[in-house]
Amino acid sequence: KQEVTQIPAALSVPEGENLVLNCSFTDSAIYNLQWFRQDPGKGLTSLLLIQSSQREQTSGRLNASLDKSSGRSTLYIAASQPGDSATYLCAAPKAAGNKLTFGGGTRVLVKP
Amino acid sequence: NAGVTQTPKFQVLKTGQSMTLQCAQDMNHNSMYWYRQDPGMGLRLIYYSASEGTTDKGEVPNGYNVSRLNKREFSLRLESAAPSQTSVYFCASSEVVVSYNEQFFGPGTRLTVL
Repeated sequence: KQEVTQIPAALSVPEGENLVLNCSFTDSAIYNLQWFRQDPGKGLTSLLLIQSSQREQTSGRLNASLDKSSGRSTLYIAASQPGDSATYLCAAPKAAGNKLTFGGGTRVLVKP
Repeated sequence: NAGVTQTPKFQVLKTGQSMTLQCAQDMNHNSMYWYRQDPGMGLRLIYYSASEGTTDKGEVPNGYNVSRLNKREFSLRLESAAPSQTSVYFCASSEVVVSYNEQFFGPGTRLTVL
């Protein structure tokens, strides 16, 4: 059974600092890994998806890496802004069209 | 292009009442999913539909039924609501192709069962 863990559960940084968010998974036979952002009381917004054959994926200030052998993915957010304050979740399926297993999320606060 | 839409946004039920949560997507996706999100438990899959005409149980299916009405719509029914079903419910969809399976989520339905 796949288990996905995100540590820490909460993180507070001053504006401008780079954010590093961790995601660990127990079963390396993942099809891909997806990072989401969730604002309070809102739905999930997909940020990045890394295919199992990729090592990293970039979008603007966001960069996500994937190391299947160690069971880890890291989301980097450069030059954080107060608008980056949200909960970030990672999730992975074991096959195309299969169910996602979610981590518990990391709640981020970027202080002005 | 609205993406994934869900109705209603909020609902309050009494124990034993029934209701159906509606979900629709306009991205021509084959797969659709229902999740619930609870504090301390994270997001858990209730049911999913890999393609039109098929449905499968997820992690927490008890107390729920689903219908994949057509390619666009996937509904979740609570036949006899219980307080333990108080949660936020999310619908999601994805296009199943060989190398890409990004899931897109709706805004959620906040359900309270008294």
